[in-house]
Parts: sequence; structure tokens; C-alpha cells
Amino acid sequence: DVVMTQSPVSLSVTLGQPASISCRSSQSLLKSNGNTYLNWFQQRPGQSPRRLIYHVSNREYGVPDRFSGSGSGTDFTLKISRVEAEDVGIYYCMQSTHWPPYTFGQGTKLEIK
Amino acid sequence: EVQLVESGGGLVQPGGSLRLSCAASGFSFNSYTMHWVRQPPGKGLVWVSRISSTGGGATYADSVKGRFTISRDNAKNMLYLQMNSLTAEDTAVYYCVADNGSPGDYWGQGSLVTVSS
Repeated sequence: DVVMTQSPVSLSVTLGQPASISCRSSQSLLKSNGNTYLNWFQQRPGQSPRRLIYHVSNREYGVPDRFSGSGSGTDFTLKISRVEAEDVGIYYCMQSTHWPPYTFGQGTKLEIK
Repeated sequence: EVQLVESGGGLVQPGGSLRLSCAASGFSFNSYTMHWVRQPPGKGLVWVSRISSTGGGATYADSVKGRFTISRDNAKNMLYLQMNSLTAEDTAVYYCVADNGSPGDYWGQGSLVTVSS
């Protein structure tokens, strides 16, 4: 199984400051078709998760452009250019290249300082 | 408006069974692969099972293989998860999740399953 490791486990950020979350996979997520199936999800308190980023760097419709995804192979990053109050929650990376099983990172909790 | 609405959760005794349902609307359900993902209380997300758009290719996490069965009825826009031989470790909120290339296009609101005597 592919193990997804996120860091940090928690993040405390001042409003308007940037934030960065790392996600590493135990093997390359590049598939033979040339795609890399790495997604980022946000789960606000008391809500269902929602996908922010798919295939490493593609923002979902309606996701603010302060969110960006990057990376390749085994190392990936979610960046928030300027944190806003509504960004509080838990962020998960998930791989769907090598399945089953699909695997999630353990989550990174973002709070406002 | 896209909706995924889970139902069927509740309190069940260890060793018991439960069937979750997920009603889909607002998108072409029969074109989407579907998943069940669960979240134990206070913990992270865990993938449970997947079924293709046509109803074939069911796959399961090792932790539920042989006990859970995923199915769908495209005529009714419904996804199901039959859960047998439940244990306390199955206690979680269960989400149905749509996949049109990658899991996560749409999520339901979740259905809480509690396994306890």
C-alpha cells in the first residue's frame, strides 16, 4: 500500500500570512499514462470534505486562487498564499494512482494564530 | 444542484448488520465511479470501497473485505453498502463519494454508524 505522510500535523498561521503543507508518498504517484493522481481535500469543522485540488495542481471550480498545488513523483505541496478565517480546518492529501487501496494522509490541522 | 444523501446509519450491536444507502441527484450518476469513505470519530479519512459506473469492479479495503458489499442501482440513482459482522472498529461517519476521474468530485453529508453493545 502507498503510505501518504503529511507535515506538519498542525499549523497555526496569522491571518493574511502564507501557509504550506507537505505530502510525501512512499512511491511515485506518476502513472504510466503520464498523469499523477494526487488530490487535496479541505474539511472545515463540522462539514464534509471537499476537493480543492486534483491531479497535483488543478484547482476545482470555485476554489479561491490563493490555493495552489505543486509537486511531482513523491513530493507534493499545498500552498495558501494568504490565509483567511474560512480556511480553518483539516487538509488531507490522497493518492489514487496505486489502488486499491486509495490512501489518505493523516491530515494537517490549520488554525488561526 | 448536486446532492448525495446518505441514510441507514445508526446504533448496531457488535456482530450485527446494517445497510447504508446513498441517493444521488443533480449529476449523471451512471457515468461516475462511486466510493464509500469513512471517518472514525476524531480521526482521519479512510477509503472503504469502490464500484465502477456500470456496477462492476468492486474493490475493498482489507479491513472490510469479506464483510462489506458495495452495490449500485443506476436506474434509481442509488449506491449501497451492506455491512455485516460489524465491530467497534467500524464505528465512523460513512461518506459516499463520486469519482469522474479522481475520487472526490462530490461528497455526501455522511451517515454515522455506531457499533456498541
